[in-house]
Amino acid sequence: DIQMTQSPSSLSASVGDRVTITCRASQSIIIYLNWYQQKPGKAPKLLIYAASSLQSGVPSRFSGSGSGTHFTLTISSLQPEDFATYYCQQSYSTPPYTFGQGTKLEIK
Amino acid sequence: EVQLVESGGGLVQPGGSLRLSCAASGFTFSRYSMTWVRQAPGKGLEWVANIKQDGSEKYYVDSVKGRFTISRDNAKNSLYLQMNSLRAEDTAVYYCAREGLADDYLDYWGQGTLVTVSS
Repeated sequence: DIQMTQSPSSLSASVGDRVTITCRASQSIIIYLNWYQQKPGKAPKLLIYAASSLQSGVPSRFSGSGSGTHFTLTISSLQPEDFATYYCQQSYSTPPYTFGQGTKLEIK
Repeated sequence: EVQLVESGGGLVQPGGSLRLSCAASGFTFSRYSMTWVRQAPGKGLEWVANIKQDGSEKYYVDSVKGRFTISRDNAKNSLYLQMNSLRAEDTAVYYCAREGLADDYLDYWGQGTLVTVSS
């Protein structure tokens, strides 16, 4: 199975900061990489699919990039509602479509 | 409005069985592949199983193969997860999620149902 590794595992930042989260795959997944946001007690929410496509309704301060084995999620200017846990997920070839371990974004 | 509502969670003893259901509405259920994802308390997300639109293909994570069975009833707009030989490590919130038409991302999620395996 393809392993997904996120870094960092946790991150402290301030409102207005630019933040980048990295996700690495154990083999090439081309651009089959998705990003989700999860707030405590809530279901995950899709932010980015196919590495860089913004899901409908998601603010444009979120962006994704990368291909092959290295991917990033960037939040250009953190807003108070962005403090949450972020997960990457690969959806390449046949399942299982594994998730990264998550990155918890906290207020500094 | 797309809605996914899970049910069937609860407390079960190790070795026991449970059947989860997910009722879908607000979209043409038969056109979409569906997925179960779980999250153990305080832990990350784990992809569990998925099923294609017509039920012809099913996939599972290794840790549940031979114990869990995913199924669907397109006439009832429902997704199921039959869980047998449950273990303590299966304790989690179980989410059903819809896969996007163009790719295997998960664009809508239910609110989750808690399964607790304990004696």
